[in-house]
Amino acid sequence: AQSVTQPDIHITVSEGASLELRCNYSYGATPYLFWYVQSPGQGLQLLLKYFSGDTLVQGIKGFEAEFKRSQSSFNLRKPSVHWSDAAEYFCAVGGRNAGNMLTFGGGTRLMVKP
Amino acid sequence: NAGVTQTPKFRVLKTGQSMTLLCAQDMNHEYMYWYRQDPGMGLRLIHYSVGEGTTAKGEVPDGYNVSRLKKQNFLLGLESAAPSQTSVYFCATASRAAERGGRYEQFFGPGTRLTVL
Repeated sequence: AQSVTQPDIHITVSEGASLELRCNYSYGATPYLFWYVQSPGQGLQLLLKYFSGDTLVQGIKGFEAEFKRSQSSFNLRKPSVHWSDAAEYFCAVGGRNAGNMLTFGGGTRLMVKP
Repeated sequence: NAGVTQTPKFRVLKTGQSMTLLCAQDMNHEYMYWYRQDPGMGLRLIHYSVGEGTTAKGEVPDGYNVSRLKKQNFLLGLESAAPSQTSVYFCATASRAAERGGRYEQFFGPGTRLTVL
């Protein structure tokens, strides 16, 4: 069965500092990997995704993530955080299953200090 | 284009009452999903549909039923609501063609906040 672990429930960083959110997954084959962001009271917006090829993936809003098969990880990074990045971030794993169901991690809530 | 819409946005029910949540999409997507979101647990799949007239169980289907009579609508029903069903419910859609092209992505609605007293 597929699963996703986001070890950090809350993270606080200062505006302008770098950010790394951790994601570890369990999946039997080459996974599809996603990062979504959810602002308070909103739905989920896709930040970036990995299907195959280059293991460093660029997304929207200056985010990137690196797929490391040996570590079963897909960590999200941003070199300089803005106050508007405060939100909850979800990592998800899926694959070539019927209906392409996704399994989500528990989420990491990011707070940004001025 | 409205994308994915959900009706209602908020609802309060008493234990034992029934209700139906509506998800509507104008993106012509084949796949539709219902999730529930609870603190610290991320999103968990309740039911999903790979096309009109078909539905399947997800991770947490108990206490819920679904129907997909039209391609653009996916209904989630609670026949006898329980306090454990207090949650935020999200609908999502995805395109089969995008999957084949390596551009698979689920698009989410704004959510329905349900409280069962």
